[in-house]
Amino acid sequence: SQKIEQNSEALNIQEGKTATLTCNYTNYSPAYLQWYRQDPGRGPVFLLLIRENEKEKRKERLKVTFDTTLKQSLFHITASQPADSATYLCAHNNAGNMLTFGGGTRLMVKP
Amino acid sequence: SAVISQKPSRDICQRGTSLTIQCQVDSQVTMMFWYRQQPGQSLTLIATANQGSEATYESGFVIDKFPISRPNLTFSTLTVSNMSPEDSSIYLCSVRRDSYNEQFFGPGTRLTVL
Repeated sequence: SQKIEQNSEALNIQEGKTATLTCNYTNYSPAYLQWYRQDPGRGPVFLLLIRENEKEKRKERLKVTFDTTLKQSLFHITASQPADSATYLCAHNNAGNMLTFGGGTRLMVKP
Repeated sequence: SAVISQKPSRDICQRGTSLTIQCQVDSQVTMMFWYRQQPGQSLTLIATANQGSEATYESGFVIDKFPISRPNLTFSTLTVSNMSPEDSSIYLCSVRRDSYNEQFFGPGTRLTVL
């Protein structure tokens, strides 16, 4: 079955740098991938959706890429700030069009 | 986007009791989902609750344990029945707007079972 894999280790970066998070899937290319931010004890907040036929999508300091050859999506935060510290979740739609989530990657931006 | 509210935001319950979680959306949506997020884990889909049909449960979740109501297009409830400490989790309501792929989540209900 399809699996979504994210780096379970926390990513620590310095304020002002670009954070890059990785989401890999194992089998078929999903029609789209979604990225969410989740703060402790809170529900996920939708950030970006990228479709299979889109190479890149941007929103303010956020950028998402989708490489169907590598079976990978990258999530970038440019000019990172301590307020960007959170867990970031990648999700894809499965065959039944239900969202399946990766384990999430915790990002820590240090001032 | 969609604005989703959940009640209660948190609760501490005794083993063997039941808790009903309410989910209210600011607009009419057909597709509504209930997720569970256990401590340190990612989200797991419990069931899909589309208005006008019976809820569809994922593997490992049954109606007797997690009965769901969906009386209209803006509201749903999830009941966690006969609770045990293993049910301690965050329970999340989620919706997908008709004709859109983006999915939105409520703030969650943090449940602790003693």
